[in-house]
Amino acid sequence: GAGVSQSPSNKVTEKGKDVELRCDPISGHTALYWYRQRLGQGLEFLIYFQGNSAPDKSGLPSDRFSAERTGESVSTLTIQRTQQEDSAVYLCASSLATSGGTDTQYFGPGTRLTVL
Amino acid sequence: QKEVEQNSGPLSVPEGAIASLNCTYSDRGSQSFFWYRQYSGKSPELIMFIYSNGDKEDGRFTAQLNKASQYVSLLIRDSQPSDSATYLCAVTNTNAGKSTFGDGTTLTVKP
Repeated sequence: GAGVSQSPSNKVTEKGKDVELRCDPISGHTALYWYRQRLGQGLEFLIYFQGNSAPDKSGLPSDRFSAERTGESVSTLTIQRTQQEDSAVYLCASSLATSGGTDTQYFGPGTRLTVL
Repeated sequence: QKEVEQNSGPLSVPEGAIASLNCTYSDRGSQSFFWYRQYSGKSPELIMFIYSNGDKEDGRFTAQLNKASQYVSLLIRDSQPSDSATYLCAVTNTNAGKSTFGDGTTLTVKP
């Protein structure tokens, strides 16, 4: 079956522009996660959706970042007025969010964002 | 103090040796623990998960969990050059709906 897909795969933008990143989770996965990974660093949690609601927005680094999810499917991460420090790979993951704690996250290929 | 700590490495072992990767966590409410492998330029992929104290074996991989010590490890037996990657430890508190990743340990297996 299809895995998690993300688009675009690469995005180069100028400082100050807005960008929108898209994630299509695995069908039937109710949980969706966004992470940021800077070069040579670990995963930085940004936001988590359970269905269409986001119970944990604590990782969003500033009010320039926002995310939404509709129809318990596609999610978009929007970065307004991009800054050079926003340059990173943005990873999306989805999971079944089953009880019992064995909730494996499946990752998409990521969007590499470069802010000039 | 980070919520999930891993030795950054790099960890270098000869081919055929045992590689030992360690992870400690601070949230005692954590219920499940995952090891992901990430090749350079690629996305993380799951190797194993564990949620009960003790050992869990899958082929050449063994995950060990000690909740009292808040410690989880991954052993790779008969290491192969293809095991060379960054290994990420992830800790999930299902009640909080939160997964926290460590920064990863880079493993190099030398032929």
